[in-house]
Amino acid sequence: QVQLEQSGAEVKKPGSSVRVSCKASGDTFNNYAFSWVRQVPGQGLEWMGVIIPVFGTPNYAQKFQDRLTITTNKSTSLVYMDLSGLRSDDTAIYYCARDRRSLQLSDSFEIWGRGTLVTVSS
Amino acid sequence: DIQMTQSPSSLSASVGDRVTITCRASQSINTYLNWYQQKPGQAPRLLIYSASSLQSGVPSRFSGSGSGTDFTLTIRSLQPEDFATYYCQQSYSSPRTTFGGGTKVEIK
Repeated sequence: QVQLEQSGAEVKKPGSSVRVSCKASGDTFNNYAFSWVRQVPGQGLEWMGVIIPVFGTPNYAQKFQDRLTITTNKSTSLVYMDLSGLRSDDTAIYYCARDRRSLQLSDSFEIWGRGTLVTVSS
Repeated sequence: DIQMTQSPSSLSASVGDRVTITCRASQSINTYLNWYQQKPGQAPRLLIYSASSLQSGVPSRFSGSGSGTDFTLTIRSLQPEDFATYYCQQSYSSPRTTFGGGTKVEIK
């Protein structure tokens, strides 16, 4: 069964950048879309962006277009989310989520990582 | 962006109750609608995809219906483990998907 293992919690200063990683187990990495979804504590879910490793071209929500970068390493089955220009309102849990169907972008999220808490504070 | 509005934002119910949660889209999304359950401290869990298809492993007391702009998640007989927050998600505008604001189901 595929699992997504995310990197650990981060504490960052305003204006800095953060990288969160997501490692997929199993052998179905390349053809599935991986999205990043964030959740401010106590609030709802917000989709940030998506990538299919075999194609390598990410799609981003307009809100994050200027400061979000999603990449993959196919040899290690890792997906990375880099968010720059951090602000206090970026404090949130960041989830990696895999689509239910192969080669579908942001269709339905079947498998989720446990989440990574990123705290932005001076 | 397509806006998703859930109602109510919270509800109180008892074990055994039938519970209905509504999700409305700001434009027609056909049946590109999914439902998730999230418990405190956990990641969301996919319950229903394509408006009415039950995800593998999800109890049959959960069901979904609707098309166009109006959708419903029904829990036929609420169980103690069903107390959680539920979210709808539209994938019509994939890849730029959006979620509803959530409905918290609490114990009466």
